Amino acid sequence: GQQLNQSPQSMFIQEGEDVSMNCTSSSIFNTWLWYKQDPGEGPVLLIALYKAGELTSNGRLTAQFGITRKDSFLNISASIPSDVGIYFCAGSNTGNQFYFGTGTSLTVIP
Amino acid sequence: DAGVIQSPRHEVTEMGQEVTLRCKPISGHDYLFWYRQTMMRGLELLIYFNNNVPIDDSGMPEDRFSAKMPNASFSTLKIQPSEPRDSAVYFCASSLLGVGLAGVDTQYFGPGTRLTVL
Repeated sequence: GQQLNQSPQSMFIQEGEDVSMNCTSSSIFNTWLWYKQDPGEGPVLLIALYKAGELTSNGRLTAQFGITRKDSFLNISASIPSDVGIYFCAGSNTGNQFYFGTGTSLTVIP
Repeated sequence: DAGVIQSPRHEVTEMGQEVTLRCKPISGHDYLFWYRQTMMRGLELLIYFNNNVPIDDSGMPEDRFSAKMPNASFSTLKIQPSEPRDSAVYFCASSLLGVGLAGVDTQYFGPGTRLTVL
């Protein structure tokens, strides 16, 4: 199946720093999702985006649906230790068939 | 609500054995999804059901894999015979109206079943 490219693959940052990660696809999508996965758990949805150019926030998290519809971005402001985990993007055109990114592993150093 | 429930959480089996993974979706949800997660391939959708009917099984790797949803509160994913390359974490997820309907719903994942085939 199709796979989306996420970058960076991993990040090590100091507590309080801002984080940026992105996701790119060779295909156009009409829905983008961002998930966080903790060790030993299933992914949890953070933000959903439905329109090109859309900017949506969820607390300290902000995500954007790229204008080209082939990319999306996730920012985390003022990181805290509990932000540690793997962040996945997912894109879809059909509403139920989602293609997932390769993941960005985030480590926050207190 | 208890969330999506999967069992077992861990399964270790020998090559050639039959493996059955179980899922109980969130009550009232109409959609159920089975995913597989590996380091090499990431998260892949295997199959999804709407109102207990399989809608898209194009992600099922091969005939050794089968999934059923006999009623709204239970689904199984079976691998027979199992092979070492089937080792992965298998997730079940459910949603009320399907993901992608603007602003309406989200997809809730279970904790996963970690399968190891020796």
